[in-house]
Amino acid sequence: DAKTTQPNSMESNEEEPVHLPCNHSTISGTDYIHWYRQLPSQGPEYVIHGLTSNVNNRMASLAIAEDRKSSTLILHRATLRDAAVYYCILRDWRNFGNEKLTFGTGTRLTIIP
Amino acid sequence: SQTIHQWPATLVQPVGSPLSLECTVEGTSNPNLYWYRQAAGRGLQLLFYSVGIGQISSEVPQNLSASRPQDRQFILSSKKLLLSDSGFYLCASRRPWGGHSTDTQYFGPGTRLTVL
Repeated sequence: DAKTTQPNSMESNEEEPVHLPCNHSTISGTDYIHWYRQLPSQGPEYVIHGLTSNVNNRMASLAIAEDRKSSTLILHRATLRDAAVYYCILRDWRNFGNEKLTFGTGTRLTIIP
Repeated sequence: SQTIHQWPATLVQPVGSPLSLECTVEGTSNPNLYWYRQAAGRGLQLLFYSVGIGQISSEVPQNLSASRPQDRQFILSSKKLLLSDSGFYLCASRRPWGGHSTDTQYFGPGTRLTVL
C-alpha cells in the first residue's frame, strides 16, 4: 500500500470544526483512502473511506482533492471525545489477499475545552 | 458490524512465563482475523493473520505463535515471554473479502501486557 504523510499533532477548540490533512502524492488509481482513529487505551476504529468523490457519514466527512494526491478528514464539531490519533491509510483494491493494514504514526488530535 | 472480545484486559507476567491471549468475534462468519501489537508510543505492527480455521500466516518471526481452533476464535501464545513482548495487543476482524465496502477492520479493546 502506498505511503501517506500526516502532521504529528494538531489542536482544536471544542465545538469547532477540525480539518485533518493527509498527503498521498504517490497514490494510484486503485487506491482507496481509509481513515481510522484510536482513542486512548483503545483499539482503532474505522471512520470513513473513499475513492474519488467526497464522502459523508455520521462520524465525519472526507474531502478528496481533484488530483487525489491529498485528502482531508473533517470533524464538523469536535468534542472532547474526538481526542485521538487519526490514521490515514491507502488500500489498493487489487491487492485481494494482502492482509496487511499499514498504520503510520498518524496525527494526534488534542481538543481544547 | 462486528464485536470483538479480548481477555484479559491487562496482564503482568514474569520473563520466561507462558502467555495465552484469547479473542472471539461476534456478528460475522468466516472472518479474517488479525493479531497486532503496539509498543508504547508506536504504531501498530501486524503479527499474525488468519483467513480460516487452522490457517495462520506470520508477518514477523518471533517467539509468539497464533492458533485458530474455531471459526471465530483466535489465540495468541508464547512458551516463554521476553521483556520485549510487552505492549498493547489488539485482535481485529474483517469480513471475507467482497469488495472495498468489506475492507474494514474491527478492533477489540486490547490487552495490555507488561513483562517484568
